Amino acid sequence: KNQVEQSPQSLIILEGKNCTLQCNYTVSPFSNLRWYKQDTGRGPVSLTIMTFSENTKSNGRYTATLDADTKQSSLHITASQLSDSASYICVVSDPSNTGKLIFGQGTTLQVKP
Amino acid sequence: EAGVAQSPRYKIIEKRQSVAFWCNPISGHATLYWYQQILGQGPKLLIQFQNNGVVDDSQLPKDRFSAERLKGVDSTLKIQPAKLEDSAVYLCASSLLGYNEQFFGPGTRLTVL
Repeated sequence: KNQVEQSPQSLIILEGKNCTLQCNYTVSPFSNLRWYKQDTGRGPVSLTIMTFSENTKSNGRYTATLDADTKQSSLHITASQLSDSASYICVVSDPSNTGKLIFGQGTTLQVKP
Repeated sequence: EAGVAQSPRYKIIEKRQSVAFWCNPISGHATLYWYQQILGQGPKLLIQFQNNGVVDDSQLPKDRFSAERLKGVDSTLKIQPAKLEDSAVYLCASSLLGYNEQFFGPGTRLTVL
């Protein structure tokens, strides 16, 4: 069954600290993986997209990694800010190639001053 | 470029009542999606339209949910009658075509009492 699992479910860190969120997937064949940021009361916004051949991709203080062999991805946030408080969702494209997405359950990050 | 618009942003109804949500996608986007997001979970696809045709409605509870996109632009999602378990955020997303990046609206938070 094609699934996406994320850990931890929630995380609290102090402002300025770094953190890493994890995503494991069982989707096959693999096409691409996105990390979305969802602020409270808003829709998800794409942070990065990674294809099979990419290992690392950065977007400002956000760095995503992908290991297609172990089917794992991580999102590293450097020097966290209060505005990073949000839910982070790992999403893999469904192999049907119809545009359908397979969502993880998300990691809720709270950055405290 | 204007984003995906949704209304209302919030709705509170009693069980067995009816409710309708409206979505206006990004101009020119042929594909439109409706998702249900229960608190603490990732979005679940309810229905996918390509122009005014349905691509996937396999997870739409058709006994109470209906959706239409008559002119291939904006769309409405209706619930009749609502149940307590329908309390969720209903997200609309659009993409240029099915395999392109999806852009999400802010969502409608529904509370069923």
